[in-house]
Amino acid sequence: GAVVSQHPSWVICKSGTSVKIECRSLDFQATTMFWYRQFPKQSLMLMATSNEGSKATYEQGVEKDKFLINHASLTLSTLTVTSAHPEDSSFYICSARPPEGDSYEQYFGPGTRLTVT
Amino acid sequence: AQSVSQHNHHVILSEAASLELGCNYSYGGTVNLFWYVQYPGQHLQLLLKYFSGDPLVKGIKGFEAEFIKSKFSFNLRKPSVQWSDTAEYFCAVIDLYGQNFVFGPGTRLSVLP
Repeated sequence: GAVVSQHPSWVICKSGTSVKIECRSLDFQATTMFWYRQFPKQSLMLMATSNEGSKATYEQGVEKDKFLINHASLTLSTLTVTSAHPEDSSFYICSARPPEGDSYEQYFGPGTRLTVT
Repeated sequence: AQSVSQHNHHVILSEAASLELGCNYSYGGTVNLFWYVQYPGQHLQLLLKYFSGDPLVKGIKGFEAEFIKSKFSFNLRKPSVQWSDTAEYFCAVIDLYGQNFVFGPGTRLSVLP
């Protein structure tokens, strides 16, 4: 149980275009999902917290107009990188938290590698 | 702001050696603590977690970790590593209210056959 998927797993886009990444919780409902960015050989950095039915909460330094997050249902959150630039190239990882439980555990997706040319 | 540090950037061991990866956090309140592992080309997987009770936590694949509140530490241990343990290991902490999930910088473990 507790499987999180991401689509696509790998995407290449041209500079100036927009890219949408999907994050789905396959066997549980997630009121809260998280988006992280991981640079090569570095740790995950939280970009934003996505709550179903409300606006996402962005971490300091993350441009909310550039990284659009929509948590339209209890099993789906999307991250859209708008007007992508080469410096946006990175590994984007989502996670989802089941509503029950008291340990705030998160289940992670496999990640999406974005390359902007 | 809350932070998590991991003592070693890269650890190289031979098979059957014992492992201890250090993790310290900076938060004075009650926390939940996690160790995640990322095998090459794979997604993050939970190794073990602590949120209350016995400070010695046992996880999957023979790993364990000890929470020492006075030292703000949550070190990961395994008595005998295998080649298949080669991976990146991340310590993470979240506060009692479910806010501020913070990862450490990670420790790369290379186990030589």
